[in-house]
Amino acid sequence: NAGVMQNPRHLVRRRGQEARLRCSPMKGHSHVYWYRQLPEEGLKFMVYLQKENIIDESGMPKERFSAEFPKEGPSILRIQQVVRGDSAAYFCASSPLGNEQFFGPGTRLTVL
Amino acid sequence: AQTVTQSQPEMSVQEAETVTLSCTYDTSESDYYLFWYKQPPSRQMILVIRQEAYKQQNATENRFSVNFQKAAKSFSLKISDSQLGDAAMYFCAYSSDNYGQNFVFGPGTRLSVLP
Repeated sequence: NAGVMQNPRHLVRRRGQEARLRCSPMKGHSHVYWYRQLPEEGLKFMVYLQKENIIDESGMPKERFSAEFPKEGPSILRIQQVVRGDSAAYFCASSPLGNEQFFGPGTRLTVL
Repeated sequence: AQTVTQSQPEMSVQEAETVTLSCTYDTSESDYYLFWYKQPPSRQMILVIRQEAYKQQNATENRFSVNFQKAAKSFSLKISDSQLGDAAMYFCAYSSDNYGQNFVFGPGTRLSVLP
């Protein structure tokens, strides 16, 4: 059973461009979480999704950020009009029914 | 809201020695989960150990053990017989017992292992 997959592992964008980060959960997992890690800090919760539903987006910035987890395909975290402050590592985690979360390797976003 | 505090930004330990990393948390809930994650330079988040708050017995995984003090809201990680591969960032994390609850992470402790 493959682990949580994230791609790309590294993404470079210029200010004003869009960034799309993908997360494929582990097989059989229907819960996906996105976290952001700024340099030298811990992970901060952004959004929790189930298939076709956003359950909790209390950690998402109000503008420019959106997330989806369609019926088919990976979960997508989308950042529009990126700014330098968006540079961070973005981690996805997936979970089966229950509490334990399994983390992907992360996507490091650099905004020039 | 729950918070997790790690008061030691950096720690170092001699190879083969024992080190303890501190973590305290704040919650009004009685049932919850606590975790220690390791993040090596590869940045992969690796689960080291987990503890259910309703269990009085401290969790143990090989060289890793915890000292869980529920009343004091303290959850320290002890690493015995430290190895060079233990060098990493260590994050303490809290999760509510509620179904599907997100994790709250501490700021991390950077552990160096000296040969």
